[in-house]
Amino acid sequence: QVQLVQSGAEVKKPGASVKVSCKASGYTFISYYMHWVRQAPGQGLEWMGIINPSGGSTNYAQKFQGRVTMTRDTSTNTVYMELSSLRSEDTAVFYCARQWGGSSYDYWGQGTLVTVSS
Amino acid sequence: QSALTQPASVSGSPGQSVTISCTGTSSDVGNYNFLSWYQQHPGKVPKLMIYEVSKRPSGVSNRFSGSKSGNTASLTISGLQAEDEAYYYCLSYAGFTTHVFGTGTEVTVL
Repeated sequence: QVQLVQSGAEVKKPGASVKVSCKASGYTFISYYMHWVRQAPGQGLEWMGIINPSGGSTNYAQKFQGRVTMTRDTSTNTVYMELSSLRSEDTAVFYCARQWGGSSYDYWGQGTLVTVSS
Repeated sequence: QSALTQPASVSGSPGQSVTISCTGTSSDVGNYNFLSWYQQHPGKVPKLMIYEVSKRPSGVSNRFSGSKSGNTASLTISGLQAEDEAYYYCLSYAGFTTHVFGTGTEVTVL
């Protein structure tokens, strides 16, 4: 069965970077785009960007341009999302989600809580 | 890229129907039929309820239906049940591989 398993919770200081992983299993990794979504406490879902696991191409939401980097490792079927220059407002749960069909997300990771605090 | 606009909250009694709107622009909702809806219970992972405007994934109740007119999409929940109480988000393709979520709607079952 399809599974997306994310890395554990992180606590970071302002200005630091965080790298969250999302390990996929149960399907052909390179056949489905992967997205990253942020959800701040008590807030809505926010699209961060997309990575094509096949060639590694990416596209990021304008809001995160220059601060986010998405990569993948086809040998381990894992995608990564690195967010730099962290500030308190980046405290959130980050999800990876598999794109299915035209543009919907059929499987989601369990979420990774990143807390930014001095 | 601005978030799609949804009402903050809607409510209904058990058995009633509620409709949630999702308003975008001609660059996103109005230009593509790649519009999906997600249900999220507090503390849980979002769940796909509707894709490509009106299609239901396997296992999703037929009480959930979707439609679109112009720049506005809608999700209707018929025969409202207590378990439907959750947050709902729309998601639209916005061109050049970008996506945009709606602001989210809290559905309350009275």
